[in-house]
Amino acid sequence: EAQVTQNPRYLITVTGKKLTVTCSQNMNHEYMSWYRQDPGLGLRQIYYSMNVEVTDKGDVPEGYKVSRKEKRNFPLILESPSPNQTSLYFCASSSPGNYEQYFGPGTRLTVT
Amino acid sequence: GEDVEQSLFLSVREGDSSVINCTYTDSSSTYLYWYKQEPGAGLQLLTYIFSNMDMKQDQRLTVLLNKKDKHLSLRIADTQTGDSAIYFCAVNSGGYQKVTFGTGTKLQVIP
Repeated sequence: EAQVTQNPRYLITVTGKKLTVTCSQNMNHEYMSWYRQDPGLGLRQIYYSMNVEVTDKGDVPEGYKVSRKEKRNFPLILESPSPNQTSLYFCASSSPGNYEQYFGPGTRLTVT
Repeated sequence: GEDVEQSLFLSVREGDSSVINCTYTDSSSTYLYWYKQEPGAGLQLLTYIFSNMDMKQDQRLTVLLNKKDKHLSLRIADTQTGDSAIYFCAVNSGGYQKVTFGTGTKLQVIP
C-alpha cells in the first residue's frame, strides 16, 4: 500500500530535550516536505526537499533541522524544543509532474 | 510571500449546497488545490485546478477560479454529514514544491 508513515504519532517532551520525528514514504517520490498545523494558521511549510541531499527552507524553519540521506526518509529534528513548537506536524511527499502531495497521518507534539 | 485566506467556519443543512471560498495574492500561481482533513487524520487531496481553467467539475464538487479577482471556490452539491471536515485551499507559489495553505474552513453539516 502506497503510504507516508510518521513516528511517533504522539509525543510529550520537555524544553531542551532533542527529538527526532521520522518520516518515510514507499512511493519512490523525489519531493518531501514538513508542515506544522496550528489553529487559525492552517499549514505552514517548515522545510522541503527536492531529492537526496537537497533541502531548502520553507516559511517557518527556525528551530528545526532536516536531512535527506535516503530517498525514502526525511526526518525532522528539533535540537532544543521549546513550548512554541507544540503543534501538529505533517510530512508529505510527491513526485515531479504529479499534482498531489501525499500526507502522513500527523505527529502531535507537546513541549512543556 | 503568498497569502491565502479562507473563512474559518461554515454551517449548512444536509442536502443543501456548500460553498467554501478562498482568496490568494500571487497571480503567478499555477496549481490551486482543495484538500480535506477529517478529524484526527491527515490531508487528502479532493481536487485541483490549473490556473488556465475557469471551472472544474468532479461529481458533487465544482471548483471555480476567478483569476482576475484571485478567488477560488469549492462548491459541494447535496452536502452530506460525511462531508463534515476542515477544507484547505492551497496554491503553489515560487516553484512546484512551494505550496501555501490557507487557514482552513471547518464545515459543519447539520442533519
